[in-house]
Amino acid sequence: NAGVMQNPRHLVRRRGQEARLRCSPMKGHSHVYWYRQLPEEGLKFMVYLQKENIIDESGMPKERFSAEFPKEGPSILRIQQVVRGDSAAYFCASSPRGSASGANVLTFGAGSRLTVL
Amino acid sequence: SQQGEEDPQALSIQEGENATMNCSYKTSINNLQWYRQNSGRGLVHLILIRSNEREKHSGRLRVTLDTSKKSSSLLITASRAADTASYFCATDAIQGAQKLVFGQGTRLTINP
Repeated sequence: NAGVMQNPRHLVRRRGQEARLRCSPMKGHSHVYWYRQLPEEGLKFMVYLQKENIIDESGMPKERFSAEFPKEGPSILRIQQVVRGDSAAYFCASSPRGSASGANVLTFGAGSRLTVL
Repeated sequence: SQQGEEDPQALSIQEGENATMNCSYKTSINNLQWYRQNSGRGLVHLILIRSNEREKHSGRLRVTLDTSKKSSSLLITASRAADTASYFCATDAIQGAQKLVFGQGTRLTINP
């Protein structure tokens, strides 16, 4: 019973390139969350998705960033035209339900570390 | 902002001592959770306390919640070197957002 799987674990991109980060939630989990963490800082919420729906994207920059969670396959966080400030660890978490249905305990992946040169 | 704030930002103690970390938040919540993060790894859920609970225990962990002061504390008793990690509180607001909002974390170092 694999946990939350994220790949790649490490990604290096040059300024202006695109970064695609993938997240497969735990089996049976239909809610996915993406967070960003800068060194020595806490996690900043980016986006919350259910299958084929974006529920809350209030933490995601309006430009260059997008996320999806298709009916089949992993959730994708896409960053276009990356800049040095995008360098961070991006964590995906999943849960079997949203908080509206009760206590929302998240299971986290190991993270994807993006370095923009 | 609903974001929690942990205090202290960093804590260094000797093995065997107790470690206490505090968290404050701003809005009314359904529950509050504590997570642990080892260096370079993802977060791991430790314990959840609901808004109608005042204290909860799990092994060497003790969590308190004071909703009137909008604060929580995490106590780790008889600390071990393996407890060295960052600890984050996360809040789940009553209204609106269906997401956990994390604080900045407390970096705990246990010296052998």
